[in-house]
Amino acid sequence: NAGVTQTPKFRILKIGQSMTLQCAQDMNHNYMYWYRQDPGMGLKLIYYSVGAGITDKGEVPNGYNVSRSTTEDFPLRLELAAPSQTSVYFCASSYSRWARGTQYFGPGTRLLVL
Amino acid sequence: AQTVTQSQPEMSVQEAETVTLSCTYDTSESDYYLFWYKQPPSRQMILVIRQEAYKQQNATENRFSVNFQKAAKSFSLKISDSQLGDAAMYFCAYLTYDEGGSEKLVFGKGTKLTVNP
Repeated sequence: NAGVTQTPKFRILKIGQSMTLQCAQDMNHNYMYWYRQDPGMGLKLIYYSVGAGITDKGEVPNGYNVSRSTTEDFPLRLELAAPSQTSVYFCASSYSRWARGTQYFGPGTRLLVL
Repeated sequence: AQTVTQSQPEMSVQEAETVTLSCTYDTSESDYYLFWYKQPPSRQMILVIRQEAYKQQNATENRFSVNFQKAAKSFSLKISDSQLGDAAMYFCAYLTYDEGGSEKLVFGKGTKLTVNP
């Protein structure tokens, strides 16, 4: 049981490039989330999904897109990377809407946009 | 909108001693959940403890306990017998729901805890 896994661990992008951050969980959780954490700040929700085929925006969705074709995977797409997207990205999952915040987090992906 | 405030950017404690991290929040709801998460240098977020607002009894998890003051909207974390492995960033978080009922966590900015040997 690997829990929540994220790839890559670290990536440097040039301005205007695109990339996909991968997230997978093997706990059969319906709910999955993407957060970003800027230096010295708490996490902010980018997008979330309540099940395969269903996604919705969080607090800071601009510049990102997501898809959820399977229960296990929840990739985050960055289009036209900007320096403001330099951050650490965390994926998380929970077993239901009533999980009372017991979200299981991945190890994070550090992204640097230059 | 709900907000979570951690007024101590950094704290330090001697090994084996006790330290308390502060958190206050703002909400108009009566039923909610509060959490403390630990983020070690590995950056992974780990749930430390949670408190359900309708429960008057303070939550405890081994060496970790909270002081939940609902009227004051205060939720502090006490770490007893501090260990070197407790060194990390600690985040206070509040659980809210959107119109569709999906849960979302609102995080404070964090407190960096240093444990001195």
